[in-house]
Amino acid sequence: EVQLVESGGGLVQSGGSLRLSCTGSGFSFNSYWMNWVRQAPGKGLEWVADIQDNGRERNYVDSVKGRFTISRDNAENSLYLQMNSLRAEDTAVYYCARRRLYGFDVWGQGTVVTVSS
Amino acid sequence: DIQMTQSPPSLSASVGDRVTITCRASQNIGSYLNWYQQKPGKAPNLLIYSVSILQTGVPSTFSGSGSGTDFTLTISSLQPEDSATYYCQQTYTTPRTFGQGTKLEIK
Repeated sequence: EVQLVESGGGLVQSGGSLRLSCTGSGFSFNSYWMNWVRQAPGKGLEWVADIQDNGRERNYVDSVKGRFTISRDNAENSLYLQMNSLRAEDTAVYYCARRRLYGFDVWGQGTVVTVSS
Repeated sequence: DIQMTQSPPSLSASVGDRVTITCRASQNIGSYLNWYQQKPGKAPNLLIYSVSILQTGVPSTFSGSGSGTDFTLTISSLQPEDSATYYCQQTYTTPRTFGQGTKLEIK
């Protein structure tokens, strides 16, 4: 079964850090671009970052540039999001998602990040 | 950044109705347009990619059309399980923006 499982969410104070992880199974993890997408409580979806299959190219939404770092370890079938200098507005459910062709076809169940001010 | 504008923000329709949701991009995105369905408490689910290609397992009552800046998601015969929020997304360039969502309720 093709699956993504996130972990690492939690409650953190404003200015703090968290590292999210996403582990893939059932597919060739190293063949796909991977993404982080978040959803604030009661709000819509916001794309956060993506990383090329070989890890060379990384892209971020402006609001997290310089604070968040996306990375991957293909040997471990894992995707990461290092989040520093967290703000209240970063509070959200964070999903990892696989990009196949042009759409995000596999999603994890999400991990909740709460930043208290 | 490319802005994606969906309309309407919400709608209510009856089982069997034909429903249309539109999505407009702030600039030409070619065919890099996807549609997702999200039910409460769940992750989004890819319905359609590249404007009109149905993801495996998605009922044929769903269809997509459009090009350039104007796109449409159509549900030809609404079913109770179609109650959800629908999002369009462009993957033409970064940031890979989503529309604000359309909440579909079954009467």
